Amino acid sequence: AQSVTQLDSHVSVSEGTPVLLRCNYSSSYSPSLFWYVQHPNKGLQLLLKYTSAATLVKGINGFEAEFKKSETSFHLTKPSAHMSDAAEYFCVVSETHDDKIIFGKGTRLHILP
Amino acid sequence: GAVVSQHPSWVICKSGTSVKIECRSLDFQATTMFWYRQFPKQSLMLMATSNEGSKATYEQGVEKDKFLINHASLTLSTLTVTSAHPEDSSFYICSAPDLGAYEQYFGPGTRLTVT
Repeated sequence: AQSVTQLDSHVSVSEGTPVLLRCNYSSSYSPSLFWYVQHPNKGLQLLLKYTSAATLVKGINGFEAEFKKSETSFHLTKPSAHMSDAAEYFCVVSETHDDKIIFGKGTRLHILP
Repeated sequence: GAVVSQHPSWVICKSGTSVKIECRSLDFQATTMFWYRQFPKQSLMLMATSNEGSKATYEQGVEKDKFLINHASLTLSTLTVTSAHPEDSSFYICSAPDLGAYEQYFGPGTRLTVT
């Protein structure tokens, strides 16, 4: 069975500084991994996804993530935070044999002016 | 991209009544859909997998007689919360996978408040 752990429930960074949101996963099969963002009172938006192609995945709004099988990690990064990045971020794992997806507990990103 | 809609977007009901929430895939067919609930400031918890033409598969701890799921067509799944209680108040979200894109498309969610 798959699982996903987001290591930080809250992350605060200053505007213009790098962002790192950490995610570790476990999976019995070759997983697909995703990062979603949820702004207050809004629906989920896909930032990026990894599906066994390139290990470094680029997403929208300047975000990217690197799949590291040896470390079972899929951390989300952005070189320079913007105020509009303040939101809840979810790391998600899926095993393609049943399409069931499991959400991490989420990391709330705070951007300091 | 593919779109998944939910109706209603919010609903208030009295304790003891039943509420039906619809999830539709608008421009693709979905043999499988998923239902989640999300409590305030918490993550999404998978409740059940809705299978077109067959019974839904429920996650451990989810009461199948309370949360009735019907997947009557390739574009529609419904979740009925029966005999609702205040503790059922939550944000319910559905998703449908696009198998070719290895991606799930999420509905905008339905906020249920039981008074």
